[in-house]
Amino acid sequence: EAGVAQSPRYKIIEKRQSVAFWCNPISGHATLYWYQQILGQGPKLLIQFQNNGVVDDSQLPKDRFSAERLKGVDSTLKIQPAKLEDSAVYLCASKGPDNEQFFGPGTRLTVL
Amino acid sequence: GESVGLHLPTLSVQEGDNSIINCAYSNSASDYFIWYKQESGKGPQFIIDIRSNMDKRQGQRVTVLLNKTVKHLSLQIAATQPGDSAVYFCAETLPPPKAAGNKLTFGGGTRVLVKP
Repeated sequence: EAGVAQSPRYKIIEKRQSVAFWCNPISGHATLYWYQQILGQGPKLLIQFQNNGVVDDSQLPKDRFSAERLKGVDSTLKIQPAKLEDSAVYLCASKGPDNEQFFGPGTRLTVL
Repeated sequence: GESVGLHLPTLSVQEGDNSIINCAYSNSASDYFIWYKQESGKGPQFIIDIRSNMDKRQGQRVTVLLNKTVKHLSLQIAATQPGDSAVYFCAETLPPPKAAGNKLTFGGGTRVLVKP
């Protein structure tokens, strides 16, 4: 089966600019996650969707980060405005009826 | 390719030897644990999992050991191969309803380098 797709794979922006990432989960997976992975660290959950509803966004910096999954399939994560400390890999994952989360390749964001 | 982590603890192992990767988890209430492998430029990939009612689980060339008394998890890789070179993360999750949808908390990771 096709895996989790993410785009773009790389993005370089200047601080205070805006950026958006896209994720297409595995077909049929109701649960979708966005993680932030800073270099040298494990992934940190930003937001979790169940279909098109938010289950957990407790660690999402809501003053600058937003995410949506309007039709319960694809999702976008936006940062506006970006800060230097937002430089990281942004991972999308999806989960079906069992416990395993499948991760996409990630988008590497560099903020200059 | 890009590096997953430049300043991670590193385990260097000779090809064919066994590897042991350790992880101290944070929450005594966690009831489900997973080991992930992350290669450079890729997302984490599931290796093996274990529930808190078990202390050992075996897969193909991998074994996970869980010691709840000291909140310690280990991953053993038998006959390590060059393709095992990657960063390995442990992750924990709380039982529902505190972790609706299996929210994972990842540890810091260990880089494994396999020498030919």
